[in-house]
This record gives sequence, C-alpha cells and structure tokens, in this order.
Amino acid sequence: GAVVSQHPSRVICKSGTSVKIECRSLDFQATTMFWYRQFPKQSLMLMATSNEGSKATYEQGVEKDKFLINHASLTLSTLTVTSAHPEDSSFYICSARVSGSGPRKETQYFGPGTRLLVL
Amino acid sequence: GENVEQHPSTLSVQEGDSAVIKCTYSDSASNYFPWYKQELGKRPQLIIDIRSNVGEKKDQRIAVTLNKTAKHFSLHITETQPEDSAVYFCAARKYNFNKFYFGSGTKLNVKP
Repeated sequence: GAVVSQHPSRVICKSGTSVKIECRSLDFQATTMFWYRQFPKQSLMLMATSNEGSKATYEQGVEKDKFLINHASLTLSTLTVTSAHPEDSSFYICSARVSGSGPRKETQYFGPGTRLLVL
Repeated sequence: GENVEQHPSTLSVQEGDSAVIKCTYSDSASNYFPWYKQELGKRPQLIIDIRSNVGEKKDQRIAVTLNKTAKHFSLHITETQPEDSAVYFCAARKYNFNKFYFGSGTKLNVKP
C-alpha cells in the first residue's frame, strides 16, 4: 500500500517552454504532498509543501511564480516549471503523506521522480 | 528550524560486516525519525522509522537507535549484503509539523 506515482518519468524540453509534472497517490488520500529537487549525489531539497484546496507553502529561495503548484484533489498535485531554463534541469521528486489517523500517518511516501533536462 | 547532520558521507564495508550511519538533530521538539534508502535513479524508500517514545527499533538486519538527550539517532545494518549498497538518508520531523528535514545522505558500498 501507499503507492505514489509520478508522470512523466523523464522529459526533455527547449529553453523557455513550460513543463508540468503530476504526482498521484494511488491507493490513499493525501492532504499534503511535497515537492523536492535533487541534484546528483546530493540530498533532497524541499521546494514546497502542497496542501489540498489551498495555496502551496514555498521554501525560502524557491520562486513561486516559476514553480507553480496545484493540489486540486486529495490524490493529485502538479508542479509546473514555467519558462524552463537549463539550470532548472534536475531530478524532481514528490512525496505524499497519508491523511487521517493510523500508523502510516507520519510517513512520507515518495514518487519515482521526474528527470527534467532543459536544452 | 531543524538542522540534521549525517555522517559519514561515504561508507565502504565488506560483505557480512556491519554498517552504522549516524545523524544528529538540533530541535528537541523533533519526535519522528525515518530512514530512507535510495538506489541510483530511483525513489527513496522508507526502511525503518522510530518515534521519540522509544529508544530502539529493529527489523531483521536493520535497527535504529535514538538518544533523545544527546539528540542523535543511528542506523545499524548487520550482515551487510551487496544489495544493501545505496544512498541512505535520515530525516527528522517535529510533532504536528509537515516538513521533514533530511540529512545529507550516506553512500554505502558493500563489497562482495
């Protein structure tokens, strides 16, 4: 249980275009989802916390107008990288936290990640 | 906020030996500490977690210990196998807060 999917797994785009990445919780509801960025051989950098039905909370230094987050339902959050540039190339991973009570409530379950390459 | 430090950054052990990875945290309000394993190009997978009301938890070859007074927790892997080779991340979270604070990761290499 607690499966998180992410789509696409890999995307190559031209500089200046926008890219949308989807994160879905397949077998549970997630009031809260998280978006991370991971550079090669480095740790997970939290970009923003996505809350269903409300605005996302961005970490310091993350441009909210560049990384648009929408959490329209309890199972879907999207991250849109607007006007992508080569420096946005990275591995983007989402995670979801189980809603409600129970032993899994505190745990974050990660999606498989999306590798973005901006040419 | 919370600051999680993880050591060592790389660890190489012989198959069958034990491996220990250590993390410290700064905020005494943190009460949940998961450990994740990430293989190259894949998602982080939860392997074990511990809450602040216990000092140790074990799951087969994997164990985690927590010292609340000293604010550190450790991952212990016994009888290591080549498939244990991966990057391991520790994390800490405060009660009633959403965010996890991750350590910098430890690349474990188990030599056959």
